[in-house]
Amino acid sequence: KQEVTQIPAALSVPEGENLVLNCSFTDSAIYNLQWFRQDPGKGLTSLLLIQSSQREQTSGRLNASLDKSSGRSTLYIAASQPGDSATYLCAVRTNAGKSTFGDGTTLTVKP
Amino acid sequence: GAVVSQHPSWVICKSGTSVKIECRSLDFQATTMFWYRQFPKQSLMLMATSNEGSKATYEQGVEKDKFLINHASLTLSTLTVTSAHPEDSSFYICSALNEQFFGPGTRLTVL
Repeated sequence: KQEVTQIPAALSVPEGENLVLNCSFTDSAIYNLQWFRQDPGKGLTSLLLIQSSQREQTSGRLNASLDKSSGRSTLYIAASQPGDSATYLCAVRTNAGKSTFGDGTTLTVKP
Repeated sequence: GAVVSQHPSWVICKSGTSVKIECRSLDFQATTMFWYRQFPKQSLMLMATSNEGSKATYEQGVEKDKFLINHASLTLSTLTVTSAHPEDSSFYICSALNEQFFGPGTRLTVL
């Protein structure tokens, strides 16, 4: 059974700082890995999707990496802004088609 | 980009009543949609996979007779929570297009 863990559970940083969110998974036989953003009481917004054959994806100030062999992914946020404050979820999809979500990291960027 | 909508965005009902939640793909056809449940401060848990024209596939531990899923068209899937109880209070989210696009969610509160 796939288990997804996100560390830290919460993170508070001053505006402008670069930061890294971590996601680890137990079963390396994955189809893809996706990072989402969730604002309080809202749905999910997909940020980056990494296929199992890829090692990283970039979008603006976001960069996500994937190391299947070690069961890890990181989400790097450069020059953080208060608008980045949200919960970030990592979801791992297996070849069977099911996704398992981590519990998320709640990020607070202080002005 | 592809958009998934949900209706209603929130609903409050009395214990014992049934509540229907709609998930629509607005600008694409979705033969498969996914239903998730998210309890406060917890991550998303896949409840079932909704298949157009056939029966839904439920995850282990999810009561199919309590959570009725109908996927009658390529753009609409409905989740009906039958005889709702306070423990069913949760945030219900649907997704489509290989889980790349999520709806905004429906907040259900059962009194």
